[in-house]
Amino acid sequence: RKEVEQDPGPFNVPEGATVAFNCTYSNSASQSFFWYRQDCRKEPKLLMSVYSSGNEDGRFTAQLNRASQYISLLIRDSKLSDSATYLCVVNNRYGGSQGNLIFGKGTKLSVKP
Amino acid sequence: GAGVSQSPRYKVTKRGQDVALRCDPISGHVSLYWYRQALGQGPEFLTYFNYEAQQDKSGLPNDRFSAERPEGSISTLTIQRTEQRDSAMYRCASSRLAGANEQFFGPGTRLTVL
Repeated sequence: RKEVEQDPGPFNVPEGATVAFNCTYSNSASQSFFWYRQDCRKEPKLLMSVYSSGNEDGRFTAQLNRASQYISLLIRDSKLSDSATYLCVVNNRYGGSQGNLIFGKGTKLSVKP
Repeated sequence: GAGVSQSPRYKVTKRGQDVALRCDPISGHVSLYWYRQALGQGPEFLTYFNYEAQQDKSGLPNDRFSAERPEGSISTLTIQRTEQRDSAMYRCASSRLAGANEQFFGPGTRLTVL
């Protein structure tokens, strides 16, 4: 099982649609979870952290289910500017170490007019 | 302010040559990370530093790869005796604190080994 697995995509949706991305991770000791966004030919940038209780930032909602080792990202009322690749990221913390970030392959989203 | 910078942005080299990739993190950032990203994949962890100390190099593919950050600022990733399979985008990131959640990525160095 890969450390971080995501829906392969691509997701092609019309403007205004709601789209959900799913991600599973293998390391049950992981404690920090994130969604990064990467535009074409650009570097990844942090979109939002994912907290145990779930969290929302405008049109974006992130959920975490530790028991199932599952993370989700929901985008409501999608905009053309949301077109990008969304990377699920998990901190590969082990023991008392800082750990490093493990990135999923990413799911490509294309929002059409 | 200035973000993470990397140089060169593009590097084409012949198989067997050594290459050195440079990363200049955001000023004052404690942690510096190196990743490799293949087309259609997410960044793959290589190594990271807190200040000048290399904390984890478990992601380096083999002993042809090495990295240093001698003064706790600029870092160099060196690949010796390059092979075609080394061709990829090499990305550097830095974070303000050790173990901080947000990493700021540079534009990357596109390495092509002929």
